[in-house]
Amino acid sequence: GAVVSQHPSWVICKSGTSVKIECRSLDFQATTMFWYRQFPKQSLMLMATSNEGSKATYEQGVEKDKFLINHASLTLSTLTVTSAHPEDSSFYICSARDFGVAGKLETQYFGPGTRLLVL
Amino acid sequence: GEDVEQSLFLSVREGDSSVINCTYTDSSSTYLYWYKQEPGAGLQLLTYIFSNMDMKQDQRLTVLLNKKDKHLSLRIADTQTGDSAIYFCADLTGGGNKLTFGTGTQLKVEL
Repeated sequence: GAVVSQHPSWVICKSGTSVKIECRSLDFQATTMFWYRQFPKQSLMLMATSNEGSKATYEQGVEKDKFLINHASLTLSTLTVTSAHPEDSSFYICSARDFGVAGKLETQYFGPGTRLLVL
Repeated sequence: GEDVEQSLFLSVREGDSSVINCTYTDSSSTYLYWYKQEPGAGLQLLTYIFSNMDMKQDQRLTVLLNKKDKHLSLRIADTQTGDSAIYFCADLTGGGNKLTFGTGTQLKVEL
């Protein structure tokens, strides 16, 4: 099946620094990728939709200047948490949409997640 | 907006069947999915069902969809300890652009 990777898998940083998280589709091209945030014992919250070659679409309440998204190629999207603060500590998960070929279900495949801890 | 609800916790004995339930509100849903999340990991797609189907079986997994009641269920036959995880239902909404996830059901399988 389709594989999506994320890097790093976990990161600890100081308050005020910026952190970049990469999301890659390894064996398919993804014109659309999604970034989610998950708090402990809670569901996934969609933060933004990342479109290759254009600006990301952010969900209501998500600060686009704080969570910078760049989808520069069909296999890579990055999420940069700028000036991170302890309240940004969370589990960030990306997914990549595989449209596949005719007759194949369009499906989102998820990365393994990145755990961010801001001290 | 779309609202997807699940019961929070389910405990079963190994070998028994597990049934995880999900309700949703968007009547224009096209596909509904079940994902599995193990501790500290991302989501693994288990199965899906198209909205014009009532049932889909895939090995130990059976998905039932009652579109009239907007109710989706996942039955796991012969539940094993390796099935212990959090299970999320998800609904493809927003014109087919977004997945809306349920609250997640933690399944615990006891010996």
